Amino acid sequence: QVQLVQSGAEVKKPGASVKVSCEASGYNFTTYGISWVRQAPGQRLEWMGWISADNGNTNYAQNLQGRVSMTTGTSTSTAYMELRSLRSDDTAVYYCARDGRYSSGWLDYWGQGTLVSVSS
Amino acid sequence: DIQMTQSPSTLSASVGDRVTITCRASQSISSWLAWYQQKPGKAPKLLIYKASSLESGVPSRFSGSGSGTEFTLTISSLQPDDFATYYCQQYSSYLTFGGGTKVEIK
Repeated sequence: QVQLVQSGAEVKKPGASVKVSCEASGYNFTTYGISWVRQAPGQRLEWMGWISADNGNTNYAQNLQGRVSMTTGTSTSTAYMELRSLRSDDTAVYYCARDGRYSSGWLDYWGQGTLVSVSS
Repeated sequence: DIQMTQSPSTLSASVGDRVTITCRASQSISSWLAWYQQKPGKAPKLLIYKASSLESGVPSRFSGSGSGTEFTLTISSLQPDDFATYYCQQYSSYLTFGGGTKVEIK
């Protein structure tokens, strides 16, 4: 069965960086993409960006351009999301989700979520 | 950016009720719309894609309709497991989510 397993919770100080991993299993990793979505406490879901596990192409949300990077390790079927220059309003649960191979679409499988807390 | 607006934000209903949630896009998105269910502390679960296609394993009491800028999610007979928050999401241009509709017990 398809599973996405994310790394554990993180506590960071403002200005630091965080890198969250998402290990996929149960399907051919390189025939799909991965989107990252975050949810601040009590807020709506916010799409952060997408990466193709086939060719590494990325699309990032405009409001995160320059602070976010998404990569994949095809030998380990793992996707990574790094967010830099963290601020208190980056405190959220971060999800990875399986997406389309060549472009974003609907998200059919999700990771369990990783809580990232940013506080001085 | 395409904005997605859901209504109502909260809905009180009883088991067995027919429930309808509306999602409006700020511009036409054809049928590039998905619906998700989220329970507290859990990841969202895909219910509907391409506006009206039911995801495998999702009960048939869930249905979606619409195209262009106006869409609906209908639960034909509300079950105890359906009390949750529902989100629409467009994928015509990148991805954006609606603000959510919380379905609570009346």
